[in-house]
Amino acid sequence: QLVESGGGLVQPGGSLRLSCAASGFNFSYYWMTWVRQVPGKGLEWVAKLNQDGSEKYYVDSVRGRFTISRDNAKNSLYLQMNSLRAEDTAVYYCARRITFGGAHPYWYFDLWGRGTLVTVSS
Amino acid sequence: DIQMTQSPSSLSASVGDRVTITCRASQSISTYLNWYQQKPGKAPNFLIYAASSLQSGVPSRFSGTGSGTDFTLTISSLQPEDFATYYCQQSYSTPPTFGQGTRLEIK
Repeated sequence: QLVESGGGLVQPGGSLRLSCAASGFNFSYYWMTWVRQVPGKGLEWVAKLNQDGSEKYYVDSVRGRFTISRDNAKNSLYLQMNSLRAEDTAVYYCARRITFGGAHPYWYFDLWGRGTLVTVSS
Repeated sequence: DIQMTQSPSSLSASVGDRVTITCRASQSISTYLNWYQQKPGKAPNFLIYAASSLQSGVPSRFSGTGSGTDFTLTISSLQPEDFATYYCQQSYSTPPTFGQGTRLEIK
């Protein structure tokens, strides 16, 4: 399972670090990702990270402000969020990515945490 | 970025009905299309990958078809637990993008 933590209320311009604790599978085998959802709205992919943390990708709206990382020894995924804005207010989910196939692999998010709410407001 | 558009945005149906949800991509994505179900206050639940392959444990009343730009999710006989919001998601390119969701309500 995946369990997120670290959400809360933060002022605009502030920082927050989210954590995602993984259990029940070999965490170090998988790409991991963060997806967010504004309450009552749709899903938005935020960032992804490969197995050893050497490849990181971000949605344009958070690039340069958010940093995704992992500690395989602790079976944990992180999202450091800096320079937070009101539009970053959302429930943040961590999710496991399953990949298969050859040169252009298929992939999907098969396991999700319950999410942690981040509210950016003064 | 590839835009994903679902229709309808909401749908009312009865238990036992057959329903179809459509997802359209702004460019061809072959069969790099996944479907998720989300119930209020819960995380998304993964249903279908590669446009038509059912995730293990997902009831066979769910099915997916399509390739290129046009895709469908069909529920052959609605059950009470199927009333939820459904999202398509392309995995053809980064960033992965989701449709806006289709809310399936009880008539």
